Amino acid sequence: GIQVEQSPPDLILQEGANSTLRCNFSDSVNNLQWFHQNPWGQLINLFYIPSGTKQNGRLSATTVATERYSLLYISSSQTTDSGVYFCAVLPYNNNDMRFGAGTRLTVKP
Amino acid sequence: DAGVIQSPRHEVTEMGQEVTLRCKPISGHDYLFWYRQTMMRGLELLIYFNNNVPIDDSGMPEDRFSAKMPNASFSTLKIQPSEPRDSAVYFCASSPTGGLMNTEAFFGQGTRLTVV
Repeated sequence: GIQVEQSPPDLILQEGANSTLRCNFSDSVNNLQWFHQNPWGQLINLFYIPSGTKQNGRLSATTVATERYSLLYISSSQTTDSGVYFCAVLPYNNNDMRFGAGTRLTVKP
Repeated sequence: DAGVIQSPRHEVTEMGQEVTLRCKPISGHDYLFWYRQTMMRGLELLIYFNNNVPIDDSGMPEDRFSAKMPNASFSTLKIQPSEPRDSAVYFCASSPTGGLMNTEAFFGQGTRLTVV
């Protein structure tokens, strides 16, 4: 099946710093989503981005489907950005969305 | 919209007992998914429904697990009998018509199950 690799596995930042999280996938995909799992365990939708670039406030994401990767940018990080960021991809012709192992982000004040 | 609603939020039960997790999808969504999150295996799909019909249950780990969707606004995931290795966070998610090939999934807050 499709493999989803996220890097780095862990990231520690000072408040105000910028960061880039990466998601590589091993096959063509029909869909890609980025989620933030907050410290209370809730999975929050960040981006639905099978291709192209989107921005939402301090966050933006780019997916280059032909090269099988996606990037999540976090600018001017805040302590509330802490948590685990998941990339999830959907292989063609099914609804079995596959998650990466996540990047655990800690933003220190 | 209230989002996907799961109950209970936390469940502690003894090995061998029956456990029932509940989910109310977002109104109007045709697809419903059950996921399980563990430290060892991460997030994995257990089963999904389209228009209340189970489409793919290949992720259900054993016959002890069963899921139903009696109507468009309610689904259950049952474990009988429960075992300590079933301890995990169980998420329900829903998506609109067309499924994940055309749109995104929205997750509930999860049920943290502990089997002692």
